[in-house]
Order: sequence, then C-alpha cells, then structure tokens
Amino acid sequence: GESVGLHLPTLSVQEGDNSIINCAYSNSASDYFIWYKQESGKGPQFIIDIRSNMDKRQGQRVTVLLNKTVKHLSLQIAATQPGDSAVYFCAENRPAITNTGNQFYFGTGTSLTVIP
Amino acid sequence: DTGVSQNPRHKITKRGQNVTFRCDPISEHNRLYWYRQTLGQGPEFLTYFQNEAQLEKSRLLSDRFSAERPKGSFSTLEIQRTEQGDSAMYLCASSSEPRLAGGQDIQYFGAGTRLSVL
Repeated sequence: GESVGLHLPTLSVQEGDNSIINCAYSNSASDYFIWYKQESGKGPQFIIDIRSNMDKRQGQRVTVLLNKTVKHLSLQIAATQPGDSAVYFCAENRPAITNTGNQFYFGTGTSLTVIP
Repeated sequence: DTGVSQNPRHKITKRGQNVTFRCDPISEHNRLYWYRQTLGQGPEFLTYFQNEAQLEKSRLLSDRFSAERPKGSFSTLEIQRTEQGDSAMYLCASSSEPRLAGGQDIQYFGAGTRLSVL
C-alpha cells in the first residue's frame, strides 16, 4: 500500500505486505531528515534518518528514499506487521540562517493500519 | 528507565490558572527541546536549550510561556493564565550534540504531558 502525502493521511495494508509512506517537504535547503513512529499515547520514536548527500538509506525492514529534485521523502516498510500500526511523521531540519539550525519541522503524519 | 521522562502525564486546569510541566532528559544529552502537538498534527517546535542556554524560541511561544533549564539537566515549561487554546500534548525531547559536523542528531521524545484547559 502507498500513501500520497497530505491528501491520503491514512493507509491500510495487509499483514505481510510492503508499505510506502510519502512525505513532501517544503524547504529545498533542508539537509537532514528523520522518520518517526508515534503510537497512541506515546511520544514519537526514531525510525531512520538520512542526510541530503544521500538518496537512500536502509535499516531493519525500513528504507528511506530521498528525492531532492522534487523535495520528496518516502519510508518503505517491508513485510508490515501489526506492531507497525501507528502514525508516521517525517521531520526536516532546516539549515541555520536566523537560528541555530536545530529546529525540526514535522509533517502532518500518515496513519498506518495493518490488517491481520 | 533511562529515557526522557515527563511529569505529569496529564494535567487538567481551569482557564486562567498557571501550570508547570517538568522534563528530565536522557542524562548524557546536552540538548533539550519542547514541542506542542495537537490532535492529528505533527509536533510543533517551541524552544530549544543547549546545556542551560535557551538558544531558540518559536514565535508560537507567547509571553505567557516560559521555559527554563537552570542547571543544564531537567527543564520546566510554565504556562501562565492558561487559555483553552493551550490544550494540547506538550512533548519534550533530548539529544546529544553530534561529535562531527553532519553527524546524527536524533531527538528522543518523552511520552508527553497532555494539558486540558476547561
């Protein structure tokens, strides 16, 4: 299953399928991106990060793809499990201009539901 | 538990009252952040400390909000004269300054304090 940014904030997939969650970021100068997972009643949990000098990074069952040309980020989850059900946020770090460069801007998020 | 700890978990208050939240970061982290999150939205940055110095404040942080980190360890966020619009989840996060430029700067979040202003 695949989400398309803000227009489809929910995604339902069958257990075992692959999931793709998309994120469009706004600032072409952003140079560091993080995907977070947030379960109900909990704070966001780090999943994977990527710097702008890379276009792909892999973790355990997760892959992040970065397309700077169109300012697009995606999170791919392989063999989705019920425990993956949560809201997923991408966060971008904008470089320091009038600030210290440590502000992260979060997207609206995508709610992933895994159907057993 | 050595993660980020926030207290209280829930706070219900009447409009016009003052409230204070506490955040205990991961002990070796020198950076501390406060965010606000409303239902269905991502966290919004409020303020950032490096050690005891408050280095950034968002325009979202009105004069009624104040944050401190007096000894560079725990932090408090106070909201004076609360308004119904202040109802939200207040999240704290901490991180370590990257050793090298371009290193990871992963923020670890607490479970948050949910504020309800009646």
